[in-house]
Amino acid sequence: EIVLTQSPGTLSLSPGERATLSCRASQSVNNNCLAWYQQKPGQAPRLLISGAFSRATGIPDRFSGSGSGTDFTLTISTLEPEDFAVYYCQQYGSSPYTFGQGTKLEIK
Amino acid sequence: EVQLVESGGGLVQPGGSLRLSCAASGFTFTNYWMTWVRQAPGKGLEWVANIKQDGSEKYYVDSVKGRFTISRDNAKNSLYLQMSSLRPEDTAVYFCARGGYIYWAWGQGTLVTVSS
Repeated sequence: EIVLTQSPGTLSLSPGERATLSCRASQSVNNNCLAWYQQKPGQAPRLLISGAFSRATGIPDRFSGSGSGTDFTLTISTLEPEDFAVYYCQQYGSSPYTFGQGTKLEIK
Repeated sequence: EVQLVESGGGLVQPGGSLRLSCAASGFTFTNYWMTWVRQAPGKGLEWVANIKQDGSEKYYVDSVKGRFTISRDNAKNSLYLQMSSLRPEDTAVYFCARGGYIYWAWGQGTLVTVSS
């Protein structure tokens, strides 16, 4: 089973700043099958990125994904107030499809 | 508009059973794998099970194998999760999601609490 470790656990930033979230895999993720989700309190997760860097439909271009192999990054170029949430990475290259433990992005 | 609406959650004693349902609308249900994902209170996400379009393939996380059964009724655009021999550690919000490995759309979830 591939273990995904996200860092930092909590990220405190202000609107307008740049956010960089990390996801590290315990072994190489096949074909960069890595997705990112956003979850707000009391809501279901929302798909942001698949295939490590492809934005889902309707996702603003301030969200970008990068990385390969075992190291992946989600970058939010300029934080908007609605971006403060918990972010999860997920690998779907090999079963079981596992999630990271999440990074909470909070307002500083 | 894609909609997934879960139901069937509730309080159940350890060792008990529960059947969750997910009603799908706004897309062609038979075109998609479907998945159950759960989230324990205050915790992260965990893939539970998924099922192929025609129900011919089903996969489970090890912790639920032999206890949970995923199924679907394509005539009713519905997904199900039959849960038995429930344990306190199964306590979670259960989400149904469209897709077999990338989860393009999610329901709002239904809470299952296993406690005496």
